[in-house]
Amino acid sequence: DAKTTQPPSMDCAEGRAANLPCNHSTISGNEYVYWYRQIHSQGPQYIIHGLKNNETNEMASLIITEDRKSSTLILPHATLRDTAVYYCIVRVGDSGYALNFGKGTSLLVTP
Amino acid sequence: SQTIHQWPATLVQPVGSPLSLECTVEGTSNPNLYWYRQAAGRGLQLLFYSVGIGQISSEVPQNLSASRPQDRQFILSSKKLLLSDSGFYLCAWSGMWDTEAFFGQGTRLTVV
Repeated sequence: DAKTTQPPSMDCAEGRAANLPCNHSTISGNEYVYWYRQIHSQGPQYIIHGLKNNETNEMASLIITEDRKSSTLILPHATLRDTAVYYCIVRVGDSGYALNFGKGTSLLVTP
Repeated sequence: SQTIHQWPATLVQPVGSPLSLECTVEGTSNPNLYWYRQAAGRGLQLLFYSVGIGQISSEVPQNLSASRPQDRQFILSSKKLLLSDSGFYLCAWSGMWDTEAFFGQGTRLTVV
């Protein structure tokens, strides 16, 4: 699986959009971009994933650059409950492949 | 609906003692199963994964082993715990063709 690079930490004011970047310059054509988050002392939670098109769900939006070498997870209106470590992972999308988590970005949402 | 159970939530064990952590999944069949560990201040590390009964792949050589005696049961074991085995252990599952993994609530293990 391709490696990813994320900033170790970010701050965001409550109610504002949180934009979390991820670089994955060695991504190959059949690898998807996944985002998970881990709230302190809990198991990780799936957020969203995509291949090359931008994706949106009830939690977040995922913007993938045209060359697929980087992506941005957007939390449109961050709340205090969004404080967590966010992991960007790239992997082949079919069965039997485990997730290789890096160190992620620790997002702190402040009042 | 599918659920994943992992126990115990916390565990304190002396060095040299054995370990057995159990994880079971309900509401699905033939899941892919995973054990992860998170040491203090570090990221999640994949330890083992299994795509079927008796099929275990180890990602990192260590003092631990895993077994899958039944389709929806995954067990993490050690014969003799080390201080370095302390950490937050997470079990997860994914469907055969799913792209999302679902995690249990974890076991916080402290080896003293």
